[in-house]
Amino acid sequence: GNSVTQMEGPVTLSEEAFLTINCTYTATGYPSLFWYVQYPGEGLQLLLKATKADDKGSNKGFEATYRKETTSFHLEKGSVQVSDSAVYFCAPSPAGGTSYGKLTFGQGTILTVHP
Amino acid sequence: EAQVTQNPRYLITVTGKKLTVTCSQNMNHEYMSWYRQDPGLGLRQIYYSMNVEVTDKGDVPEGYKVSRKEKRNFPLILESPSPNQTSLYFCASSPSGFDLSYFGPGTRLTVL
Repeated sequence: GNSVTQMEGPVTLSEEAFLTINCTYTATGYPSLFWYVQYPGEGLQLLLKATKADDKGSNKGFEATYRKETTSFHLEKGSVQVSDSAVYFCAPSPAGGTSYGKLTFGQGTILTVHP
Repeated sequence: EAQVTQNPRYLITVTGKKLTVTCSQNMNHEYMSWYRQDPGLGLRQIYYSMNVEVTDKGDVPEGYKVSRKEKRNFPLILESPSPNQTSLYFCASSPSGFDLSYFGPGTRLTVL
């Protein structure tokens, strides 16, 4: 099955700093890749996705590029805000066959942004 | 409004007392899934369902049961809860098993 290694947190930044959260994966075939965000006290929300190699997903100022050669999907944002404080999860799409439907998440990276 | 609802949101119970956490979605999604979230372990899949009457085990199914009699509902059943099932539980749904479009708000369960 799929597996994900995420940058360990917590990550603490000042407002307007540059953010990178690393994510590497192992997967069967060529999965789509997702980043989810969990704000305090809430469920997860799909933040962005990329469906094939070299695709760039983007949303709310966040970006991530699907790098097949390095099996990576690092999350970046040029200028973080206090409201970006949350937990971020990386996930590849399920593999086919008997693994279809099994979505595997990374452990999550806690981001705290200070004013 | 498109949403996944879970009930209850908070529950404190005792070992061995059967409980059910309900999950309902109003988007006519085929796929639904249950996860538990624990500190340091991230999200782990308990069960999932590709469609009505079709369910399958995730990574941590022991101690849990599910049923999918209607497309909109996917309850999680703990027949005999134990303290190691104390956790934060999330239900999620999507049109397919490709990604998870919507998550419920979570149910925080404490088993004493």
